[in-house]
Amino acid sequence: NAGVTQTPKFQVLKTGQSMTLQCAQDMNHEYMSWYRQDPGMGLRLIHYSVGAGITDQGEVPNGYNVSRSTTEDFPLRLLSAAPSQTSVYFCASSWTGHTNYGYTFGSGTRLTVV
Amino acid sequence: EDQVTQSPEALRLQEGESSSLNCSYTVSGLRGLFWYRQDPGKGPEFLFTLYSAGEEKEKERLKATLTKKESFLHITAPKPEDSATYLCAVQAVGGTASKLTFGTGTRLQVTL
Repeated sequence: NAGVTQTPKFQVLKTGQSMTLQCAQDMNHEYMSWYRQDPGMGLRLIHYSVGAGITDQGEVPNGYNVSRSTTEDFPLRLLSAAPSQTSVYFCASSWTGHTNYGYTFGSGTRLTVV
Repeated sequence: EDQVTQSPEALRLQEGESSSLNCSYTVSGLRGLFWYRQDPGKGPEFLFTLYSAGEEKEKERLKATLTKKESFLHITAPKPEDSATYLCAVQAVGGTASKLTFGTGTRLQVTL
């Protein structure tokens, strides 16, 4: 049981490049979400999904796209990277959106945009 | 707007020296308050969920308590392996499904 797997662990992009951060979970969780973590700020919600085919915006969605074609996968796409997107990105999942047991987080992707 | 403030930002304890971390929150209606532990280079790891004032939960050397305005994470006789950043988050009733509002964390270092 791998939990939540994020790839890559590290990435350096040039301004304007695009890329996809991968997130996969093997717990059959319906709810998945993406957060970013920046120094001096709490984790902030980017996008979330309550099931396959259903996604919605979180607190800081600009510059990011998501899709959810399967229960297992929830990729995050950066359309045109900007230095302000330099951050650590975490994917999280749970049985439902309103979980009693918290979320299971991946180990993160550290992204640097130069 | 939901807000979470954690204090202190950093705390250094000697092994065996008990202390408490504070999480103050404002939320339109509290569905749950969560505590997580985060080790360097890792994702947050779930510790506790608290739902109503007066509730307490324990796990090994950690005990979390909740009032209407704040939560405390009490650490009794800490060990070096308790060193980590402890995050507090709240989830509001209704609103964006399951959005958690996080504080910035308390970085705890326990020395021998």
